[in-house]
Amino acid sequence: GNSVTQMEGPVTLSEEAFLTINCTYTATGYPSLFWYVQYPGEGLQLLLKATKADDKGSNKGFEATYRKETTSFHLEKGSVQVSDSAVYFCALSSSNTGKLIFGQGTTLQVKP
Amino acid sequence: GAGVSQSPSNKVTEKGKDVELRCDPISGHTALYWYRQRLGQGLEFLIYFQGNSAPDKSGLPSDRFSAERTGESVSTLTIQRTQQEDSAVYLCASSPSRTSTNTGELFFGEGSRLTVL
Repeated sequence: GNSVTQMEGPVTLSEEAFLTINCTYTATGYPSLFWYVQYPGEGLQLLLKATKADDKGSNKGFEATYRKETTSFHLEKGSVQVSDSAVYFCALSSSNTGKLIFGQGTTLQVKP
Repeated sequence: GAGVSQSPSNKVTEKGKDVELRCDPISGHTALYWYRQRLGQGLEFLIYFQGNSAPDKSGLPSDRFSAERTGESVSTLTIQRTQQEDSAVYLCASSPSRTSTNTGELFFGEGSRLTVL
């Protein structure tokens, strides 16, 4: 079946460091891929998405490129801020119900 | 424009009791989803509604779990005879329509935290 695997956290970085959170997937067909973020005390919200191979999603300085050949959708940011501290979830959607399948989440802590 | 609203935000109950969790989706959203998030784990899909029908209830873990939805509005997730392993955050999400393959964004509520003693 379809599944998503994320790197385990927590990830602790200093402010302005480079961030990579790895995400790989297993799916039949051609899924859309998503990164959701959950800030402390808030609900999950969409960070970025890509709907086909080689698409790059971007938002708030974060980027992720849909790599079909490596079945990956790694999240990157060039310079993290304390306010980026949150839990990040990679997800895919491959059915016509819109159901999302999530990875286990990666906690990011950015220290000043 | 209110977002997805869930209640209660926190619920503590004793093992064996029944609980009801409520979700008010964004007005006009026809698709509604329930997920469960256990501590330190990812989100597990429970059930999907399109309107008031549930074409995908494949994630409901046992027959103690049920859900209903009235029209294209409120949904209630009911857990009967709660067990300690039911302790989790239950998340509700909605989206504007049945999505065509691959493109939908889900809008999440803040969740209902259930603790079973």
